[in-house]
This record gives sequence, structure tokens and C-alpha cells, in this order.
Amino acid sequence: ILNVEQSPQSLHVQEGDSTNFTCSFPSSNFYALHWYRWETAKSPEALFVMTLNGDEKKKGRISATLNTKEGYSYLYIKGSQPEDSATYLCAFNTGTASKLTFGTGTRLQVTL
Amino acid sequence: NAGVTQTPKFQVLKTGQSMTLQCAQDMNHNSMYWYRQDPGMGLRLIYYSASEGTTDKGEVPNGYNVSRLNKREFSLRLESAAPSQTSVYFCASSRTDAYEQYFGPGTRLTVT
Repeated sequence: ILNVEQSPQSLHVQEGDSTNFTCSFPSSNFYALHWYRWETAKSPEALFVMTLNGDEKKKGRISATLNTKEGYSYLYIKGSQPEDSATYLCAFNTGTASKLTFGTGTRLQVTL
Repeated sequence: NAGVTQTPKFQVLKTGQSMTLQCAQDMNHNSMYWYRQDPGMGLRLIYYSASEGTTDKGEVPNGYNVSRLNKREFSLRLESAAPSQTSVYFCASSRTDAYEQYFGPGTRLTVT
């Protein structure tokens, strides 16, 4: 079983703060790294899928980077808003693809 | 487009009863997945179907069976429910294994 580790487990920031989370995964046999946003009482929604070392993706105030050689990805949120409150999941699959292994997520709470 | 739909949304079973969770997608996706989500465990893959006509085990397949009925539908069956199968079940689909996954609304199952 491949381990995907996310840190921190939870984070509480104030509106306007910028923040970042880490996802660590095995660097061997890498295929793709996914980030999902999961709001309470809803379903996970995809943010990014990254496949190449050095990939950087951006969607509005949220961006992500990927380092496949050392096995980590960062997710950044600039100027956090209350609507950013959610659990952010990363998931990893290997060269065999298909099977995604999810981390347990970073729970972000943004208050006014 | 409805995206990914799941039925039922809630179900209570007694130990030993059987049931089938239904999932359908209208995005013409090739790959479909069943996950379970338990507190502190993150999303764990039960079974997946990389393409119509194929199914394969994920991380936690014991006690479950699946059927990829056609390209749209992927069902999950519990033959003899156990309390350990109390969980929230999510179905997901993706264009292929390299693309982001789209999740259904989930089924909350309680086995007493």
C-alpha cells in the first residue's frame, strides 16, 4: 500500500491570510498527483491533476506545484476567504494508474 | 448533465442483509470507481473499472462485489452486510485513469 501523507492535519486562518499545505508521496514509479477540494456535506471536486516534475497549476487564488523527484506537492491559497473552508485532499497514482491512493486531507477553516 | 448519480442516499441494514448501491454517469467516461470514507481514514478504493467490461480490486475489496453493467453504470453489492461496512460510499468516474475524477453525492450506509 502506497502512503500519501498530508500536513498539517488541520489549519485555522483568518480571512486574508495566505496559506499552504504539503502532500508527500513515494517518488518511485510516479504517474500523477491529484488535488481535490471537499466541502462539508458535499462531494470532492477536482482542483488539479499534475503529471510532470516542475508542474505548476493555478486556478484563481489557488495554485499547486509538483516535485516528483523528491516526492512532494504544495498547495497554496492566496488571500484566504471563508468560502475556502474545506478539506483539501491529495491523491497519487503510480505507473499502473487507475488506482488513486488518497491522503487523509488538510482541513482548512477560514474565519472573518 | 447530472454528472455522477448514486442511489440510495441513505440506507440502514441489519447484519447479514444484502443490498446493491447503484451508480451512473452521463459524461461518457471510461473509468469508474467505488470508494468508502471512514473517519480518520480518508477515501479508500474498494473496486474500480478502468473500462467497460473490466473490473479490478482496490485497497479494501473484501465483502464487496461489483458489476460494470455498461459504460454508464457501475454497481456495488454487499452480499452479507457487517457492522464494519458502516461507512459513506462514493462512486466516481473519470475520462481515463490519467484524468480528474468526478464524484457522486455519496451513500450513507449503516449496518446494525
